[in-house]
Amino acid sequence: AQSVTQLGSHVSVSEGALVLLRCNYSSSVPPYLFWYVQYPNQGLQLLLKYTSAATLVKGINGFEAEFKKSETSFHLTKPSAHMSDAAEYFCAVKGSGTYKYIFGTGTRLKVLA
Amino acid sequence: DAGVIQSPRHEVTEMGQEVTLRCKPISGHNSLFWYRQTMMRGLELLIYFNNNVPIDDSGMPEDRFSAKMPNASFSTLKIQPSEPRDSAVYFCASSFVGQGDSDTQYFGPGTRLTVL
Repeated sequence: AQSVTQLGSHVSVSEGALVLLRCNYSSSVPPYLFWYVQYPNQGLQLLLKYTSAATLVKGINGFEAEFKKSETSFHLTKPSAHMSDAAEYFCAVKGSGTYKYIFGTGTRLKVLA
Repeated sequence: DAGVIQSPRHEVTEMGQEVTLRCKPISGHNSLFWYRQTMMRGLELLIYFNNNVPIDDSGMPEDRFSAKMPNASFSTLKIQPSEPRDSAVYFCASSFVGQGDSDTQYFGPGTRLTVL
């Protein structure tokens, strides 16, 4: 079985500051991990995904995430926040050989001017 | 590619009425998912189709909900009769399940349903 925990339903950062959104997972099989972003009144857009090729994954808009098996984590980071990064971010896990994504509850990022 | 297309984008209806939501997946994808998003429950998978066949409908809340996929380019989610607690945003997503197991899902813009 798979599960995802996103720590912090709301995160606020100043413009230009580091963004860190936390995601921990559990999976009984090798996982695939995803980060999606949802802007207001829009669907979910894929930011990046981990598929076992490399533990540090770079995505769109300057985001990246590192897969740490020992910590069962897949935290999302961006060195410098921009106002346009304000959105809700979802972490998801899918087990190898399964079709179902398990989504976290989401983290709403607010960027302060 | 146009991405996943959903219609309507907004639907307001009265309790007891039938509601039909539509989805056109990305061409070439063989899997389609319907999700519901609410503040209380987050994102819930309602049903999953593979090659137009329903594989898992365990997330469908009750018999008032039904989904069909008559061909590879079209799916519907129907609620009959609708109730106020069905108010939510309904998303359709598609993917290609095949080689390379990651099977990235691509989401449509959603249909915001309000049942009065």
